[in-house]
Amino acid sequence: QQQVKQSPQSLIVQKGGISIINCAYENTAFDYFPWYQQFPGKGPALLIAIRPDVSEKKEGRFTISFNKSAKQFSLHIMDSQPGDSATYFCAASLGTASKLTFGTGTRLQVTL
Amino acid sequence: DTEVTQTPKHLVMGMTNKKSLKCEQHMGHRAMYWYKQKAKKPPELMFVYSYEKLSINESVPSRFSPECPNSSLLNLHLHALQPEDSALYLCASSLVRLAGGNEQFFGPGTRLTVL
Repeated sequence: QQQVKQSPQSLIVQKGGISIINCAYENTAFDYFPWYQQFPGKGPALLIAIRPDVSEKKEGRFTISFNKSAKQFSLHIMDSQPGDSATYFCAASLGTASKLTFGTGTRLQVTL
Repeated sequence: DTEVTQTPKHLVMGMTNKKSLKCEQHMGHRAMYWYKQKAKKPPELMFVYSYEKLSINESVPSRFSPECPNSSLLNLHLHALQPEDSALYLCASSLVRLAGGNEQFFGPGTRLTVL
């Protein structure tokens, strides 16, 4: 019940296109859902996060859509750029100072 | 200062060695974490310290020993590791919020190789 399932495993998008990554969770008690971006050899960087009382959050080119009834959330990257090529992880947690349960990751490649 | 720093960046050690990983943050965060990440996998939580006290241990083998000397520092002491312990070790920190929220900020990691 602690799992977070992430898809697709890899994604190739043309420059200027929209990248969409999906996650599904099982534990309805989760109350915080972040997305992290990780470049090779670097630590994960917090991109954007959402709480379950909000259905959408936008920060620049990044948008989280959250569907509480379906227990799903997704990351949309608008106007994708080659510099967005990285691995993206969704995660979920309950409470504060607690474990982040990560999805399996999506490797995004943005081509010219 | 808005970052988490980790030293060393790379570490190679033998199975009989004793070494330590260090993590530091000056953001006033009172929760600090150790995660382990294998290649092409997500980070896996090892330990959580909240207000300098160990609050979560994810059943980590005793050859890994965490220490939180003060609110800004976190150490991970390593002893008698196995080759399968080779991984990227990530430190993170966050505020402890009564209203919830769990924004964790990660350091760049220490790449550990056990020979």
